Formats: sequence, C-alpha cells, structure tokens
Amino acid sequence: QVQLQESGPGLVKPSGTLSLTCAVSGGSISSSNWWSWVRQPPGKGLEWIGEIFHGGSSNYNPSLKSRVTISVDKSNNHFSLKLSSVTAADTAVYYCARETATADYGMDVWGQGTTVTVSS
Amino acid sequence: QSVLTQPPSASGTPGQRVTISCSGSSSNIGNNNVFWYQQLPGTAPKLLIYKNIQRPSGVPDRFSGSKSGTSASLAISGLRSEDEADYYCATWDDSLRGRVFGGGTKLTVL
Repeated sequence: QVQLQESGPGLVKPSGTLSLTCAVSGGSISSSNWWSWVRQPPGKGLEWIGEIFHGGSSNYNPSLKSRVTISVDKSNNHFSLKLSSVTAADTAVYYCARETATADYGMDVWGQGTTVTVSS
Repeated sequence: QSVLTQPPSASGTPGQRVTISCSGSSSNIGNNNVFWYQQLPGTAPKLLIYKNIQRPSGVPDRFSGSKSGTSASLAISGLRSEDEADYYCATWDDSLRGRVFGGGTKLTVL
C-alpha cells in the first residue's frame, strides 16, 4: 500500500523559496507512475502545480512555471517541490499525489497535506 | 478563474439523485478523459472517477460519471449524509499543456 508524506517548513518569508519533500513508502518512485503537487489556498479550490516522472520528464502549470521546480530523488524514494519568490498568495495546503497508470493517470494516492504560510 | 466550470453548490435530500456538471472546451474535456475527486472536510481529495466513467476499486456504484462533447457530469444516487463534500472535476488541457481542475462544487445533504 503506497503512502505519501509531505514535509517541509510551515512558514516561509515573502520573496523566499518554499521547499517541500514528499516521501514515498510502500512502493518505488521508479514505478510507471507520475508524481504531482497540488495546492489549495484557504477556503478555495484545488490548483495543480506540476508533475514529474522518475526519468525526469516534467510538466508545470503555466501560471507557476517560471517559479517552480519539481525533482525526483530515486535513491531516497522521494520527490520535491521548490517554489521561488513566494508571496502571501502562495499560502496554501500543499498536497503530493501519485498519478497511477492503472487509473489513466488519475491521482489515486494523496499525502495528508501540509500547510505553508507565507508571512514575515 | 478555472478553465473548467462547475456550479459552486448543489444540494439534495437523503435518497435523492444529484448531478454535478463540469463544462470545458475542445482543448480539455473535448479531447481528454475526465476525472472526479471527492474532498471531505479537512481531508485530502479522493479519486472517485477516472477515464470519464470508471470507478476505482472501493468506490460505491452510487457514483457514476459521464461525458458528452465538452461537458462531463458526476451523478450521485441514493444520496447519503456522508456524501456531503466538495467535488472537483479535472482533466488535461492541450493548450495549457497541463492538468486543470474545476472550481469545485460544494454538495450539501439537507
């Protein structure tokens, strides 16, 4: 049973870089799945940030692309998110998720989410 | 403003059938498969429907999806109090070259 767990600072200063890691347990990050980051601002809907395949291929939300980097660490079985030049608008719950080939790359496993607040 | 349009709210009484719509365009729903997610209060989203109509193992058959042209729908029959949640449609957008979510529909069970 694959499980995902986000970790990282809960508070980031404006203009700083948000860095989160998603640890994958119960399965290999090198399987035939993509791995995604999704965020949800307080009281608002879901926003897709981007996705990565273990081979390094990635896709990003065009509205965030200039500030986002998603990477994979196969040796530690985790993937990471970096979002630069953050503002208060980046305050949100950040989720990592698995996009499984068996469900047409639907996000079938999610982390519990981690709250990140951008504030000085 | 999402490229996928959902009604902000929907409601029904226990036992009723409720339908939630998701409207898009030829670059997203019209050319790609649709997913539906359920988000219970305070929890992570859960995959309800993939490939327009398919249910993952464990999802009750009370939940069903459909797609026609550039629109999709999620139907919930035999409504239960535990179905009270936010529901999101999602798909790939060829123009944006990325995944998109609808704005979400808050379902209230009266």
